[in-house]
Amino acid sequence: EPEVTQTPSHQVTQMGQEVILRCVPISNHLYFYWYRQILGQKVEFLVSFYNNEISEKSEIFDDQFSVERPDGSNFTLKIRSTKLEDSAMYFCASSPGQGHQETQYFGPGTRLLVL
Amino acid sequence: QKEVEQDPGPLSVPEGAIVSLNCTYSNSAFQYFMWYRQYSRKGPELLMYTYSSGNKEDGRFTAQVDKSSKYISLFIRDSQPSDSATYLCALSLGAGNMLTFGGGTRLMVKP
Repeated sequence: EPEVTQTPSHQVTQMGQEVILRCVPISNHLYFYWYRQILGQKVEFLVSFYNNEISEKSEIFDDQFSVERPDGSNFTLKIRSTKLEDSAMYFCASSPGQGHQETQYFGPGTRLLVL
Repeated sequence: QKEVEQDPGPLSVPEGAIVSLNCTYSNSAFQYFMWYRQYSRKGPELLMYTYSSGNKEDGRFTAQVDKSSKYISLFIRDSQPSDSATYLCALSLGAGNMLTFGGGTRLMVKP
């Protein structure tokens, strides 16, 4: 069964450093998403991406964040200058986006720790 | 008022029990209703998906949506210890739109 994959599984970085989190969505899906979950808190939406552009973003997704689909398979989240409060699990998701098939499938996550 | 509310639990039941998990929401524009299961420090795993009101059954799982009451439920029959996890409801306005999650209910099924 196709699944969303994410790398790395864990990332430790120093405050102020740039990190890039990578995702391979399910191949025939049209919508791609990033969510995050701070330990013990709700899963929060960051951004959605469709047709090579951002379709929706939350207040969390400020100028420090960017997303890119550099080729036909990868989808990346970049944090330019990490802060301590960026420590969280980051989940990539994808959905078919066709008709009523609004089912978002999540990857296993990248645990980011900012020191 | 929070957009999506979910009792955090923990909910502890004996093996074989019927489990009822619920969410309430405030925005009547939500059209898609999903239930995810999340094991500790793992990604959410899609369990059930419902469009608009009604019931949907898949094996031991039944999802119900009552849009008039803004209330959704997930029932688990014949619960197993392997069902022990956090259950998240997630709602969406439409295809390609963000999911708004509840805080999750932690379920513990004891052998």
